[in-house]
Amino acid sequence: DARVTQTPRDKVTEMGQEVTMRCQPILGHNTVFWYRQTMMQGLELLAYFRNRAPLDDSGMPKDRFSAEMPDATLATLKIQPSEPRDSAVYFCASGLGTSTDTQYFGPGTRLTVL
Amino acid sequence: AQKVTQAQTEISVVEKEDVTLDCVYETRDTTYYLFWYKQPPSGELVFLIRRNSFDEQNEISGRYSWNFQKSTSSFNFTITASQVVDSAVYFCALRGAYNTDKLIFGTGTRLQVFP
Repeated sequence: DARVTQTPRDKVTEMGQEVTMRCQPILGHNTVFWYRQTMMQGLELLAYFRNRAPLDDSGMPKDRFSAEMPDATLATLKIQPSEPRDSAVYFCASGLGTSTDTQYFGPGTRLTVL
Repeated sequence: AQKVTQAQTEISVVEKEDVTLDCVYETRDTTYYLFWYKQPPSGELVFLIRRNSFDEQNEISGRYSWNFQKSTSSFNFTITASQVVDSAVYFCALRGAYNTDKLIFGTGTRLQVFP
């Protein structure tokens, strides 16, 4: 049963610290998405990649957030420095990148910035 | 602009009742895709169904059924004979077919099924 995996599942950190979240997409999927879920904003797309190249990062605060795909099996989302308003659940999703694609989500990383 | 509206914030039912979750969408695309996802208390997002805009056939999967009506821009989700395990937040989402992979999510409907 292929699944998207994310680590860590929970992260508590202090304001100003660097946070790195990792995602392993489903094998064979070439499109990877990062979403953030908060009570106020709901689910919002931060960025996504196809074949490891960034296609859209317009939803991501550029000054402190960065997303990369070092290889086809790993996507990272980094926040530096972190702020309390970054507290949220961060989801990674992957898909085949076709026009009829379905996005399959990982379990999420719950980030708390104190 | 694309938009998904789930007007029901929270619904409570007693086990074995039928319940319908509403989803209304807006898009100018002629081809688009609609989705439902389930988010149980554990937090993960579980894919339930994808529907293409050119396929208006209703779909049934066990106790779940979906009613897609282009005329009213609605894609409603019905759970028949609800069970406690159906308790979750349900999200409806929309994606256009051209030049975008972005999913537009509704705000979700929290369903509580009581024994």
